[in-house]
Amino acid sequence: QAVLTQPSSLSASLGASASLTCTLRSGINVGIYWIYWYQQKPGSPPQYLLRYKSDSDKQQGSGVPSRFSGSKDTSANAGILLISGLQSEDEADYYCLIWHINTWVFGGGTKLTVL
Amino acid sequence: QLQLQESGPGLVKPSETLSLTCTVSGGSISSSSYYWGWIRQPPGKGLEWIATTHYTGSTRYNPSLQSRVTISVDTSQNHFSLRLSSVTAADTAVYFCARHPAATGSGFYGMDVWGQGTTVTVSS
Repeated sequence: QAVLTQPSSLSASLGASASLTCTLRSGINVGIYWIYWYQQKPGSPPQYLLRYKSDSDKQQGSGVPSRFSGSKDTSANAGILLISGLQSEDEADYYCLIWHINTWVFGGGTKLTVL
Repeated sequence: QLQLQESGPGLVKPSETLSLTCTVSGGSISSSSYYWGWIRQPPGKGLEWIATTHYTGSTRYNPSLQSRVTISVDTSQNHFSLRLSSVTAADTAVYFCARHPAATGSGFYGMDVWGQGTTVTVSS
């Protein structure tokens, strides 16, 4: 089982909100980790969006709109990237990242389609 | 504004060594506030962290690649480098360099600034 699992795809409507999940493997407690989120568009490098550990311990990437926000669902053992007010330019691949046992581990990525 | 630029051969033969350089501009690689890393992305696939270093020589490697990887810093040239030995077709990927902010105390955060990436193909 992978350390981080992301849905391969997600669709949401223009102007709506999208909730992208990053589920940690059973036995790895999401509560103690920084969860990082990146956006990648075709032919471009990943862009850092934010990191989130708790509501009092988080950082927004430079120039990243506030409609991108992070949270956790401890019951699901998952990190969440919430994108509100979806715009067409939000259509991209999104990756999560954690530092786990001295290794940076990426999730497999979610392709977000804006309808 | 900090910029990172990868450079190196676009084609490497199987069993040979892949060598890439990341030139840092708009900032000093000798800053204690940052670490420097390499990440790769095979065609159509996800991201894989390779290695991270600090100008002091501290290094961290992905255990899955550690036996073949060397990361190093040249402060005089304000760049850092990656060497990956015994390459195979599975090493074909876009290779990105990136910056990690240093964490208070020890360690470092995830990548916050990325280079544009360079495509490396392993083929005879």
